[in-house]
This record gives sequence, structure tokens and C-alpha cells, in this order.
Amino acid sequence: GDSVTQMEGPVTLSEEAFLTINCTYTATGYPSLFWYVQYPGEGLQLLLKATKADDKGSNKGFEATYRKETTSFHLEKGSVQVSDSAVYFCASNRDDKIIFGKGTRLHILP
Amino acid sequence: NAGVTQTPKFQVLKTGQSMTLQCAQDMNHNSMYWYRQDPGMGLRLIYYSASEGTTDKGEVPNGYNVSRLNKREFSLRLESAAPSQTSVYFCASSESGFYGYTFGSGTRLTVV
Repeated sequence: GDSVTQMEGPVTLSEEAFLTINCTYTATGYPSLFWYVQYPGEGLQLLLKATKADDKGSNKGFEATYRKETTSFHLEKGSVQVSDSAVYFCASNRDDKIIFGKGTRLHILP
Repeated sequence: NAGVTQTPKFQVLKTGQSMTLQCAQDMNHNSMYWYRQDPGMGLRLIYYSASEGTTDKGEVPNGYNVSRLNKREFSLRLESAAPSQTSVYFCASSESGFYGYTFGSGTRLTVV
């Protein structure tokens, strides 16, 4: 069945470092792909999305490109801030339902 | 503010007790969902409703029931709570999974 696999955390970086969180998916057809972010004590917020191959989603300095050939949707940010500390979930949709990866906890040190 | 509202935010139950988690959205979305979040497991779909009057099982439906009362409201009921149901529960809504979901802030449930 369809699934989403993302790198395990926690990931710890210093402020202003470059961030990559890897995500790969398996799916029949061409799902939409998403990154969600969850700050402590809160629900999930949609960070960015891409709905077809080669689309680039972007928001708040984060970017991810829908790569059909490698079935990947890696999250990147050029310079992270302490306020980016959160849990990040990669997800894909199937039949109007969204499947989530297990989440990657990110810690940014000042 | 527009969005998805969940009540209560926190709840402690004794094993065998029952309770209903409430969810309401004001975005006129057709689809609504209940997920549970457990450490190391990500989010797992319990039940969903594609439209008013319809409900379907997700990945982990055992021990739960749902009601889509109207287009706005989708409730989750635990008839006889068990410690394995200790979790954080999230409700979400969408016009279509194609565009993504809007999530509520969650209910943290502890069953002792």
C-alpha cells in the first residue's frame, strides 16, 4: 500500500545552519505531497504542498520539490532559526485521505 | 477565528468509562477526519467522513465510534476506554485531501 518514509530524528542544528529532512513516498498514481509542522502543544499546520511532478512548494523560507523519478519530497531551508524547532511531518494523499510519515523532531540551538 | 475547534483539550478517564470528543469546523468543508498521534507512530487515521451522513473506517477504528451530526460537526466516541487509547486525538477537515487538511489543536486523553 501507499506509504511515506521520512528520516528519523531528532535532528539538532545550530542557528543559521542548512536544513534537509529527507522524505520518500510510495504510491499508485500521482499523489499530492505535503509538509506539515507541529509546534509544541499545538496541532499540525500545513507548511507547504506540491500537487504534481516538478512542482516546488515554498513557505517561510522552507522549500520542497516533487521528484517523481526518485519518489522524493525533501524539505530544505537555507538558514534555520531557533523558532523553527518543531516536529515536521511529510505526507501524501490517497483517495481523499492523507497518509503521514512518523515525523522528524528538529532542535535548533542558539 | 475560522478553523477547526476541538473540545475538551484535556481529559483523564478511568478504564471502562465512556466519553465523546467533539469537533466542529466553520469552513464549509465536506470531509472530516479523526486521527490519533502516538510517540514514534506519527498520525493514524481512526475514522473519516467524506460528506454529511457518511462515515468510514480508517487504519485503527477498533474501540471507537463516530457520528457526523451535520456538515459542521464530527464526534468521536469511546464506549469503554482502555489504557491503549491514551493518546492525543486530532480532528481535521478539508474540501479535498488533494489540497491538504486543516487541523484542530487536539485533545490529550489519558486512560488510567
